[in-house]
Amino acid sequence: DADVTQTPRNRITKTGKRIMLECSQTKGHDRMYWYRQDPGLGLRLIYYSFDVKDINKGEISDGYSVSRQAQAKFSLSLESAIPNQTALYFCATSDLQTVPGELFFGEGSRLTVL
Amino acid sequence: AQKVTQAQTEISVVEKEDVTLDCVYETRDTTYYLFWYKQPPSGELVFLIRRNSFDEQNEISGRYSWNFQKSTSSFNFTITASQVVDSAVYFCALSEARTGGSYIPTFGRGTSLIVHP
Repeated sequence: DADVTQTPRNRITKTGKRIMLECSQTKGHDRMYWYRQDPGLGLRLIYYSFDVKDINKGEISDGYSVSRQAQAKFSLSLESAIPNQTALYFCATSDLQTVPGELFFGEGSRLTVL
Repeated sequence: AQKVTQAQTEISVVEKEDVTLDCVYETRDTTYYLFWYKQPPSGELVFLIRRNSFDEQNEISGRYSWNFQKSTSSFNFTITASQVVDSAVYFCALSEARTGGSYIPTFGRGTSLIVHP
């Protein structure tokens, strides 16, 4: 089983709908991240969390919110989805005790907003 | 300005050719980390290598090699005798200290490598 699990893996929704992407990890890492990938733009950071009580905005947080329900769970929400949020979303984890910034990624969640 | 620049958007080669993927980074920190990740057509992100700013030794792993040059702020990746299975998008990333001492990677836009049989 994957150490970092994302659900759903694929989702098609309509404009205005609320969507939640979930991420859970069994690596015991304290740090979790949500990135968005668009063709030609690489991976861009949406939100990150260094522990349950710590939530920080990344470079493209507008239109998104997150919740760190437990050390192992980090959810990304789109309150009212719009077509330009169509993208591949990655959850990642890292451990303070290992190489700073080395990320362990989930398999990705492909979201299509019609 | 981008902190990590991968100027090559797409590279197309024929199998067995050597290919170099360029990565230029920008930082004012003296301590930082550089990474390469591979994203095959299946979509997952696979870690390839990391390098810290104090270690400029080049590294070779099988057909893969990395050339880190602080003088030119570059961390280039070479695949020798490319194979079709090397076809993927390759990302270079920079991790530098942010406010509070945390390190969070910034990614380049990626280079799509297509290896033709």
